[in-house]
Amino acid sequence: QVQVQESGPGLVKPSETLSLMCTVSGDSVSSFYWSWIRQPPGKGLEWVGYVSYTGSTKYNPSLESRVTISADTSKNQLSLRLNSVTAADTAVYFCARGKGATGTLDVWGQGTTVTVSS
Amino acid sequence: QPVLTQPPSVSGAPGQRVTISCTGSSSNLGTGFDVHWYQQLPGTAPKLLIYINTARPSGVPDRFSGSKSGASASLAISGLQAEDEAEYYCQSYDRTLSGLLVFGGGTKLTVL
Repeated sequence: QVQVQESGPGLVKPSETLSLMCTVSGDSVSSFYWSWIRQPPGKGLEWVGYVSYTGSTKYNPSLESRVTISADTSKNQLSLRLNSVTAADTAVYFCARGKGATGTLDVWGQGTTVTVSS
Repeated sequence: QPVLTQPPSVSGAPGQRVTISCTGSSSNLGTGFDVHWYQQLPGTAPKLLIYINTARPSGVPDRFSGSKSGASASLAISGLQAEDEAEYYCQSYDRTLSGLLVFGGGTKLTVL
């Protein structure tokens, strides 16, 4: 059974860098596509970006200048870094497995809440 | 504004059938990209409900069905049950700019 678990600081100061980890068990980060998705309080889902099984990345154009997603195959973990955060980056951040570059997100983590505030 | 358009809310009585629409454009659903549907219960992560337009993952009741035609898609839920009350999201791929995964704005289903 594939399981995904997000972790990281729950509070980040404005203008600083948000850093989150996603630990995968039951599958390898060297397979499929691994996405980060976020959900601001009371709002809908927004795709942040993904890292593929080859290590290539694709980002949401609205965030591309500030975001980096990478995979550590030795630890079977993914990471998300988002620079220069503002209150608008306050959200629940989910990690999810993707079946293909354009397709289904079939396994999701429970999400981790990040608040941007001084 | 979300790239895929969904009604903000729908409702139905137990046992009834409801449908949730998802309208895209020529840069996503209309160009042949598949639609996928997720159910999000309050305070939980989204769960895959329908993939590749019509397929159901193992464990999803056959009360849930999906369809797609051109730039539009629909999720139908028959035999409504109280536990179906949730937020439902459609998702696809959009080829504008360098391409990205896109979601609908979500539809809140209320079981009366």
